[in-house]
Amino acid sequence: GAGVSQTPSNKVTEKGKYVELRCDPISGHTALYWYRQSLGQGPEFLIYFQGTGAADDSGLPNDRFFAVRPEGSVSTLKIQRTERGDSAVYLCASSLSGETYNEQFFGPGTRLTVL
Amino acid sequence: SQQGEEDPQALSIQEGENATMNCSYKTSINNLQWYRQNSGRGLVHLILIRSNEREKHSGRLRVTLDTSKKSSSLLITASRAADTASYFCATDAGGTSYGKLTFGQGTILTVHP
Repeated sequence: GAGVSQTPSNKVTEKGKYVELRCDPISGHTALYWYRQSLGQGPEFLIYFQGTGAADDSGLPNDRFFAVRPEGSVSTLKIQRTERGDSAVYLCASSLSGETYNEQFFGPGTRLTVL
Repeated sequence: SQQGEEDPQALSIQEGENATMNCSYKTSINNLQWYRQNSGRGLVHLILIRSNEREKHSGRLRVTLDTSKKSSSLLITASRAADTASYFCATDAGGTSYGKLTFGQGTILTVHP
């Protein structure tokens, strides 16, 4: 009966490095969302998966950001050539389905710090 | 971009008092949701109100929605110290964008015992 889990909980990296952030959704949830939350702000949508496919990636800020969900369960958010402005908490959420309203359950987030 | 804008940005009250937070948004919505976030429990869904509803209650929470003014309010009655948290409204445009939530900047609520 676990909720959404995210690993690592904290990640410190240097500018220019590559990072991967992992999200394990609630079992059986077909919809998965990534958000980014900067200090003092609300979460900002990045990408939404329905099953294995990215149904909406309009929130990805640029082509350094990429996300996958190859088997329709675990998802990985990948950031290339990290910049200091990428520092934020990255939140993952899942819901039963994205095709109609279903409550989203959020994970605890990964705090990314780019030095 | 942040569609929802909450006010006030910060609210400080005594235990037992009521807390009211407001949210405004810019585009049409399918539903509006309120979330609470604190360091101990992350982001938690509180209540959802659909665009064809005007008021909804859940325990000590009361949410109103005025689509003509594109605004919503969250009232927490008889506040407790445990209500101390940040509160966010989030809009869902529905259609092909179901679940793509647009959050406001949040209201920081502090309830003093």
